[in-house]
Amino acid sequence: DAGVTQSPTHLIKTRGQQVTLRCSPKSGHDTVSWYQQALGQGPQFIFQYYEEEERQRGNFPDRFSGHQFPNYSSELNVNALLLGDSALYLCASSPGQGITDTQYFGPGTRLTVL
Amino acid sequence: SQELEQSPQSLIVQEGKNLTINCTSSKTLYGLYWYKQKYGEGLIFLMMLQKGGEEKSHEKITAKLDEKKQQSSLHITASQPSHAGIYLCGAVHPPEGNNNDMRFGAGTRLTVKP
Repeated sequence: DAGVTQSPTHLIKTRGQQVTLRCSPKSGHDTVSWYQQALGQGPQFIFQYYEEEERQRGNFPDRFSGHQFPNYSSELNVNALLLGDSALYLCASSPGQGITDTQYFGPGTRLTVL
Repeated sequence: SQELEQSPQSLIVQEGKNLTINCTSSKTLYGLYWYKQKYGEGLIFLMMLQKGGEEKSHEKITAKLDEKKQQSSLHITASQPSHAGIYLCGAVHPPEGNNNDMRFGAGTRLTVKP
């Protein structure tokens, strides 16, 4: 049973560019959440998708957008990249949105903005 | 200020020694998750605590939840080099939306010396 997968593993972009990160959830999971983790910090919640809609959103600007497909996979898009967007982007999937629905994380995508 | 404070920030122990990591919340805890992260990689789920006084163990790792103090502790018995990594606590957001999006502490970096 494959766990959560993310692609690409690493990405280098320049300021002002746009980037798309991808996530495939664990089998049987229908909820996908995205987190940003800066170096030396804990992950920060970006948003969560369920039934192809954004259900919850953290304190991130509209430059961060996402999408969930009918097969539950998800994309995170970031427009007009800033140097401060350099971070590890983590995707997590869970079997639901409930408090006790454990989130399982993928290996992350390391984004570097030059 | 951080919603979740972890202490200590870093810890170096000799192999075989016991250790404790603490996580204190400034808000009511409805669910507390512990994860382990190897540097630059995804998070590995350890355990989830929900009820006050709850205690769970997995191999040599035990976690407890003190609901009144809004605090959780993670205890490792007879530490091994394989325990090294960053330990993160994540609190489930208060259930205005009955949702499992998490707020994380900054992490505790554990080094185990052979």
